[in-house]
Amino acid sequence: RKEVEQDPGPFNVPEGATVAFNCTYSNSASQSFFWYRQDCRKEPKLLMSVYSSGNEDGRFTAQLNRASQYISLLIRDSKLSDSATYLCAVNSKSNKLTFGGGTRVLVKP
Amino acid sequence: GAVVSQHPSWVICKSGTSVKIECRSLDFQATTMFWYRQFPKQSLMLMATSNEGSKATYEQGVEKDKFLINHASLTLSTLTVTSAHPEDSSFYICSARDRVGGEQYFGPGTRLTVT
Repeated sequence: RKEVEQDPGPFNVPEGATVAFNCTYSNSASQSFFWYRQDCRKEPKLLMSVYSSGNEDGRFTAQLNRASQYISLLIRDSKLSDSATYLCAVNSKSNKLTFGGGTRVLVKP
Repeated sequence: GAVVSQHPSWVICKSGTSVKIECRSLDFQATTMFWYRQFPKQSLMLMATSNEGSKATYEQGVEKDKFLINHASLTLSTLTVTSAHPEDSSFYICSARDRVGGEQYFGPGTRLTVT
């Protein structure tokens, strides 16, 4: 089993709609969690950290479920510019980030 | 925000030659730098972790004699791909962190093509 797993998608989303997807992790000792956005042929850019109580940044909401070992990302009112690959990353005790395979989101007019 | 640069942004080399990629933190001191590799449609795979002034720690399956990492200062780490082969063609990305548990800032990546 991979340490961090994501549904590769693509999630085809009508503009203005809401989309949500999860990321599961296998190491229960994982300490911190992040969502990154990666555009084609570019480096990942940090979208948001994921806090235990859940957190929101504009149209983006991240949740952590430690009991079931997954994090989620919800995008409201999707924009065409939200089309990208979303990578979750998990920081283990060794302080290294392990990335999931990414979820591709395509927002269409 | 913190800026990390990489040079070159892309490189084409012949099989058997060596290629050096530089990663610099421009406005902060990076105690730790990470080197990742990403093949098309795959995720980032950590290759090695380097701390300034000490030897790099390589992930399982990554040949340390083939991928030479030098972290000579708090703002510069280099990755040298020695005796490159076509299967080494990939997107190499570095990231830098200013403290343990701190955010990682990614460089723009270097696209290596070995012919």
